[in-house]
Amino acid sequence: EAGVAQSPRYKIIEKRQSVAFWCNPISGHATLYWYQQILGQGPKLLIQFQNNGVVDDSQLPKDRFSAERLKGVDSTLKIQPAKLEDSAVYLCASSSSPRQYFGPGTRLTVT
Amino acid sequence: DQQVKQNSPSLSVQEGRISILNCDYTNSMFDYFLWYKKYPAEGPTFLISISSIKDKNEDGRFTVFLNKSAKHLSLHIVPSQPGDSAVYFCAASANTGNQFYFGTGTSLTVIP
Repeated sequence: EAGVAQSPRYKIIEKRQSVAFWCNPISGHATLYWYQQILGQGPKLLIQFQNNGVVDDSQLPKDRFSAERLKGVDSTLKIQPAKLEDSAVYLCASSSSPRQYFGPGTRLTVT
Repeated sequence: DQQVKQNSPSLSVQEGRISILNCDYTNSMFDYFLWYKKYPAEGPTFLISISSIKDKNEDGRFTVFLNKSAKHLSLHIVPSQPGDSAVYFCAASANTGNQFYFGTGTSLTVIP
């Protein structure tokens, strides 16, 4: 079974630039999550999708972050404009049960 | 507000001995708990879970204990192996399917 795919794996941008991350969940998983993990901290949920509908986006900084899940499968997370404090690993996870399967993450560095 | 806490940032254990990783939570509504293991440059991988109707769950060398009255859970690894060296996160949710809250992680080093 293929795992959760994410790209790119690494990204370096300057502040005020835009960036987008892509996630392809495990086939058949209805629920998709985006997490932000800042160095030394645990993953923090940004947004949760059930199929292509948003279940929880209460911790998504909506003035600069946006996410969509096309046709209930792939998802993209965008940051526009980026700030220095957005430097983190962005993890995508999917699930069809309480257990979540994580992708390898995208490490974003904002300079 | 950190609802799930792992107060030990790091732990070192000799190979073959027991590793005990601890996790505390504050929300009494949490009823499902998981442990994840994370190697550098990889995403977290699921290790073991427990629901609040149980106080113990075992899977091979890994056992999770839940003490609901103390709002505390622990992960026991016996015997510890060098390949167990990783960062371990505990996570909790209220009503499975809802948001999971993660602790800050404990970095385990198993010394050969």
